[in-house]
Amino acid sequence: AQSVSQHNHHVILSEAASLELGCNYSYGGTVNLFWYVQYPGQHLQLLLKYFSGDPLVKGIKGFEAEFIKSKFSFNLRKPSVQWSDTAEYFCAVSGYNQGGKLIFGQGTELSVKP
Amino acid sequence: NAGVTQTPKFQVLKTGQSMTLQCAQDMNHNSMYWYRQDPGMGLRLIYYSASEGTTDKGEVPNGYNVSRLNKREFSLRLESAAPSQTSVYFCASVGNSNQPQHFGDGTRLSIL
Repeated sequence: AQSVSQHNHHVILSEAASLELGCNYSYGGTVNLFWYVQYPGQHLQLLLKYFSGDPLVKGIKGFEAEFIKSKFSFNLRKPSVQWSDTAEYFCAVSGYNQGGKLIFGQGTELSVKP
Repeated sequence: NAGVTQTPKFQVLKTGQSMTLQCAQDMNHNSMYWYRQDPGMGLRLIYYSASEGTTDKGEVPNGYNVSRLNKREFSLRLESAAPSQTSVYFCASVGNSNQPQHFGDGTRLSIL
């Protein structure tokens, strides 16, 4: 069965610390990969996406993610977090030619202390 | 530039009541989706509509029905609400499968 696993349920960092959120997926074909962010009380917003090409993708607000096909991973990174990065982060996968249906991970809540 | 609009934003129901959640998009997108978000479980697909006139079940369709009224609108109906359906419901849309989905602001539904 297709699935997405996010390693950390809740991460607490101080401002300026580096961030890496893990994401692994299980899918037997070509995939499109996404990271979404949900700020408190808001809807999901796209941080970045990978469809093909360079496996290191850059998104908004200084975030980047690396697709490692051999590890079925798509980890999210940011060199220096800010208090405003406090939010919940979701990794999601859609299979190629699967009608755009997304399978989401459980989410990682990030708390950044000022 | 509304994007995806959901109504209502909040609703409280009693067990057994029925309700329709409305979703409309103004981006001329072909595909629309309904998800529910529960703590620790991420978002799970309830139903989707790949194009006008078609609907298909997602991961958790039991207790729900949908209608793709036209290209713009995709509604989700709870015929007989149960406390297990207390959740935040998100509607999303996308032009084609190689684009990211756009999400509405969500409907927070509580069933007592």
